[in-house]
Order: sequence, then C-alpha cells, then structure tokens
Amino acid sequence: QKEVEQNSGPLSVPEGAIASLNCTYSDRGSQSFFWYRQYSGKSPELIMFIYSNGDKEDGRFTAQLNKASQYVSLLIRDSQPSDSATYLCAVFLFGNEKLTFGTGTRLTIIP
Amino acid sequence: SAVISQKPSRDICQRGTSLTIQCQVDSQVTMMFWYRQQPGQSLTLIATANQGSEATYESGFVIDKFPISRPNLTFSTLTVSNMSPEDSSIYLCSVVSGYTFGSGTRLTVV
Repeated sequence: QKEVEQNSGPLSVPEGAIASLNCTYSDRGSQSFFWYRQYSGKSPELIMFIYSNGDKEDGRFTAQLNKASQYVSLLIRDSQPSDSATYLCAVFLFGNEKLTFGTGTRLTIIP
Repeated sequence: SAVISQKPSRDICQRGTSLTIQCQVDSQVTMMFWYRQQPGQSLTLIATANQGSEATYESGFVIDKFPISRPNLTFSTLTVSNMSPEDSSIYLCSVVSGYTFGSGTRLTVV
C-alpha cells in the first residue's frame, strides 16, 4: 500500500463549478497535510496545509481533514481555467521532518 | 516563508559526467531537502541535508551517486554523479520554513 494515494485523473471540471480532490494516507501518525499546485514545467507551489480535523478555508480553497478515515481533500470553488494544474497531496510526520508526496491529480478546468 | 534560488535551471549533460546543483536560501534553515521528479511522476525524496553533519539518504539513493554538501545554514549542493539517461529528471530543493521549493533543475542526460 502506498503511503499517500491520490486519483491520478485527469479530472475535468466546468469553469465556475467546484473541483474536489481527494487523498488518503496510510500512517496514522501523520500530523500535517499539505496541498501543492504544480503547473507543467514549474516547481510545486504550496496552496495550504491543515493539521486539525475539520475544514480550513483560504479564499476559494477549502481543505478538509478526517483523521479517523485517514482522508484529506481539497475543494476549489468557482474553478477557473488558471486552476488547471496537477495537485499534489503531502503528509508530514513530526520527528521525521519530511514530506511524503502522493502521485498527484491532474485537474483540467473546462471553459 | 523562505525564498530559494536554485541553479542551473536546466542542463543537458553527456553520460558519465557529473552535474552540481546549487540552492541558496534567503534565511537560515536547519534542514534542506533534495527531491527528484521523474517525467510524469510525483516527488521522491533523495536526502535530507543538515548543516554540520552527513546527509541522510532515502532508500534507493546513495552518497556516491548523489553527494550533498551543506557548508552553512543557507546553502546546499547536490551532485548527480556518473550520469546515465535514467537520471534525466527534475531535481528540486526544499526547506521546512514555509515548505517552499526552489524553481527546479531540469536535467537531460544524453
């Protein structure tokens, strides 16, 4: 079982709709969870991170964490064509001090 | 968040040669991380570089192939040694401060 799993996509969403990206992780000791956006040919850019159960909102982005289900998601409201990118989920263990990445989900926003 | 300057941004190298990648951070950081991203793949951690000690390598990566230097708290280098076409990848450095990445080095080995 992979440590961090994401649906590779591609995920196609109409412009203006909500895009929902999902991630599961295997290590129950995982403590912080990160979402990165990566445009083709560019390095990953941090969108947001979450470490408490529940929702965390930042502009059009909402991260949701359910530690009991070992599940973290990213919602993008009012999707724009500029949101078309690969979204990477990563988990962090204190003490380990490193991020473990999922394989990423390729998102395409259709105008 | 820390800002990382990484260079070179890209290079095309002959097999059997070596390339050294540099990362400069605008603030002092205890740990720096080196990742590899193969075409169409996610990020794989190569090693963690601490100032004043040997780098810690992940399974599948060895010091002879990927020697790392960390001379101070703002700078690190990764060398890709005795390159083969399988080393063609994007190499990225990262720091915990802000969880940011350098701009990456796109390496092509011919």
